[in-house]
Amino acid sequence: GEDVEQSLFLSVREGDSSVINCTYTDSSSTYLYWYKQEPGAGLQLLTYIFSNMDMKQDQRLTVLLNKKDKHLSLRIADTQTGDSAIYFCAVTATGTASKLTFGTGTRLQVTL
Amino acid sequence: DTAVSQTPKYLVTQMGNDKSIKCEQNLGHDTMYWYKQDSKKFLKIMFSYNNKELIINETVPNRFSPKSPDKAHLNLHINSLELGDSAVYFCASSQASRFYGYTFGSGTRLTVV
Repeated sequence: GEDVEQSLFLSVREGDSSVINCTYTDSSSTYLYWYKQEPGAGLQLLTYIFSNMDMKQDQRLTVLLNKKDKHLSLRIADTQTGDSAIYFCAVTATGTASKLTFGTGTRLQVTL
Repeated sequence: DTAVSQTPKYLVTQMGNDKSIKCEQNLGHDTMYWYKQDSKKFLKIMFSYNNKELIINETVPNRFSPKSPDKAHLNLHINSLELGDSAVYFCASSQASRFYGYTFGSGTRLTVV
């Protein structure tokens, strides 16, 4: 099955940029997503990118997709303390468009 | 105006008991899911229903039985609860024809003692 990997932890200073990385194994993944989970809450969809795109920008968020390396990244510009959360990437599995496989999650800590 | 609502939010119960978690969505979506999040925050799909029909059934003990009375509801019943069932269970929904990701409920934290 699909494997989706992320680094476990990232610490950045307020005002800096954060870059959260994700690698996946299924090269035919069609839709790729970033979710945010704050403590005690559900997952909130932040943004998504289709596999025929290389980049998508949405306000402070920039998603980059390298299909050759099966690498997805999320850049958060001007990181704020309110951005502290766990970030999950998720991809669709081959042949089952509605089944999302989630990465292991990256805990982002924003320090003053 | 909660889009995906789960009840209860917290559930503490003894080993061996049977319990249910309810989920309702008011988004008009046709597909609903149950995910389990363990203590390391790893999320794994358990079940998915599309228009009341079971379409995804991952390797889950048969003590777990989902039920979808209509496309707006997906409940999860768990028999003979075990310590290892302690986790956060998330319900989610999506529209299969417009796949822009899932909308998640806020989760049910199940603790088996």
